[in-house]
Amino acid sequence: GAVVSQHPSWVICKSGTSVKIECRSLDFQATTMFWYRQFPKQSLMLMATSNEGSKATYEQGVEKDKFLINHASLTLSTLTVTSAHPEDSSFYICSARDGSSGIETQYFGPGTRLLVL
Amino acid sequence: EDKVVQSPLSLVVHEGDTVTLNCSYEVTNFRSLLWYKQEKKAPTFLFMLTSSGIEKKSGRLSSILDKKELFSILNITATQTGDSAVYLCAVDKAAGNKLTFGGGTRVLVKP
Repeated sequence: GAVVSQHPSWVICKSGTSVKIECRSLDFQATTMFWYRQFPKQSLMLMATSNEGSKATYEQGVEKDKFLINHASLTLSTLTVTSAHPEDSSFYICSARDGSSGIETQYFGPGTRLLVL
Repeated sequence: EDKVVQSPLSLVVHEGDTVTLNCSYEVTNFRSLLWYKQEKKAPTFLFMLTSSGIEKKSGRLSSILDKKELFSILNITATQTGDSAVYLCAVDKAAGNKLTFGGGTRVLVKP
């Protein structure tokens, strides 16, 4: 199946700093990528839909100025958590749609654990 | 509002048992239903179902969709401890390209 990578896999930062997370589709082109957030023992919560070459579409309640998304190419989307605070500590997961076989399936990256001190 | 509900919330079985996980949904513009397995990291893809009544099978796992009654089941036979995970069901819509996830079923397989 298609492979999606994320970097870094985990990060610890001080409150007030910004953290950038990269999501790459390794063997396919993804016009659409998604960013999710997951708290312990909860399901995935969609934060935003990232479209190559255009602005991201944010879900209700997600601050676009806090969670900056850039989808600069068909294989790379980045999520920047600006001025991170302890409540931003979470597991961030990206996914990418692969429609190359004619049947679109969404594949997930391995996730990034963020801890804000 | 779109809704995906999984049951049970959790279950504990012993190796060799069979488990059946349920996923019911209410969405507009249904395109497909997907099953994922999540261990300690991000979800890994198991199945995508688009047509009613056609069973998808992979080893000891199988799944089927009923588009009339709006549900899907995931079966795991001869369970092993490595099957312990959270199983997530998600529905893909024809418009919007977004997945709506259920709350997941946590499965623990004891030796």
